[in-house]
Amino acid sequence: KAGVTQTPRYLIKTRGQQVTLSCSPISGHRSVSWYQQTPGQGLQFLFEYFSETQRNKGNFPGRFSGRQFSNSRSEMNVSTLELGDSALYLCASSLTGGNQPQHFGDGTRLSIL
Amino acid sequence: AQSVTQLGSHVSVSEGALVLLRCNYSSSVPPYLFWYVQYPNQGLQLLLKYTSAATLVKGINGFEAEFKKSETSFHLTKPSAHMSDAAEYFCAVSSSGGSEKLVFGKGTKLTVNP
Repeated sequence: KAGVTQTPRYLIKTRGQQVTLSCSPISGHRSVSWYQQTPGQGLQFLFEYFSETQRNKGNFPGRFSGRQFSNSRSEMNVSTLELGDSALYLCASSLTGGNQPQHFGDGTRLSIL
Repeated sequence: AQSVTQLGSHVSVSEGALVLLRCNYSSSVPPYLFWYVQYPNQGLQLLLKYTSAATLVKGINGFEAEFKKSETSFHLTKPSAHMSDAAEYFCAVSSSGGSEKLVFGKGTKLTVNP
């Protein structure tokens, strides 16, 4: 069974640009969550989608948004990039959420110049 | 609000020695607790989870953790460290109220010396 796939693995952008990250969950998983990992703040929850609806949201500004498609694939978008957005963005999927174990992808490393 | 504290950002052990990584949690409702491991340039891999079925939880790669409600702890142990155990370990908590949000500790980097 294929794991969680995140694309691209690495991305370099400049301040003010926008970026879209993609996540394909494990087949059959309907819940997709996104996390930001930085050396200073650690792992922080961004949002969670289930059946194309945002079900839970962390404390991030509105520049961070996401969506989920009918096949459970998810995208995350960050607009007006800032230097502080440089991070590893991790996607995780689970069957239906609800405290079931989340399975993580290898992440997208975003660097802002 | 839930929180997780991992004592010791770096732990160093000799190969074959006991591994003990500490995790204390704070939760106003019965928690679900998880340990994840992260190898360089990779995502997080689930080691084990506590969901109230048993206080001693066995995971993959010889790791186990014991839930102690009175101490609000969920420490991770392994009797004998292997070089391949060198990685960063994260403890995480979510509420039993149905929240899909994981709250992570800051992580503990484990070094295994030959």
